[in-house]
Amino acid sequence: NAGVMQNPRHLVRRRGQEARLRCSPMKGHSHVYWYRQLPEEGLKFMVYLQKENIIDESGMPKERFSAEFPKEGPSILRIQQVVRGDSAAYFCASSLVGTSGSGNEQFFGPGTRLTVL
Amino acid sequence: KQEVTQIPAALSVPEGENLVLNCSFTDSAIYNLQWFRQDPGKGLTSLLLIQSSQREQTSGRLNASLDKSSGRSTLYIAASQPGDSATYLCAVNFGNEKLTFGTGTRLTIIP
Repeated sequence: NAGVMQNPRHLVRRRGQEARLRCSPMKGHSHVYWYRQLPEEGLKFMVYLQKENIIDESGMPKERFSAEFPKEGPSILRIQQVVRGDSAAYFCASSLVGTSGSGNEQFFGPGTRLTVL
Repeated sequence: KQEVTQIPAALSVPEGENLVLNCSFTDSAIYNLQWFRQDPGKGLTSLLLIQSSQREQTSGRLNASLDKSSGRSTLYIAASQPGDSATYLCAVNFGNEKLTFGTGTRLTIIP
């Protein structure tokens, strides 16, 4: 059973371009979470999704950032018109169930390191 | 506000010693707590998960404890090895479907 997959592993963009980060959860997992780790800072929650639904986006900036988890295919974190402050490591995690059930452990992918020039 | 704190930020110990990493959290109504390891430039590896109803979990040389009433968890590493050098992260699920992370303890094992 493959773990959480993220691609690309490294992404370089110039200011004003768009960044698309992809996450394939573990097989059978329908809960996906995105976290951001800024340089020299801890991981911060961004958004929690289930298939075709955004459950909690309280940690995501209101502008330029969006996320989706379609019925088919990976979850996508999209950053429009990137700025230098968006440079960070973006991690995706998945879980089998939500908070209250057994199997609520979150498994993390290797991350995508975004560099904005 | 729900917060997670890890002290110290960095720790160096000689190889072979046992050591304890600390994690404290502000709200005792938690669902679970996870300890992770992160190597430089790498992703997170889950080490141990403790559910709110449990007091400890063990895996090999690692033992994690949970005391909800005092808002504390510890990660005990026995017989430390140079390969244990990494940043250790504590993350708490306060029941709102997301993990709140501490800023980590950077551990260096001196050969």
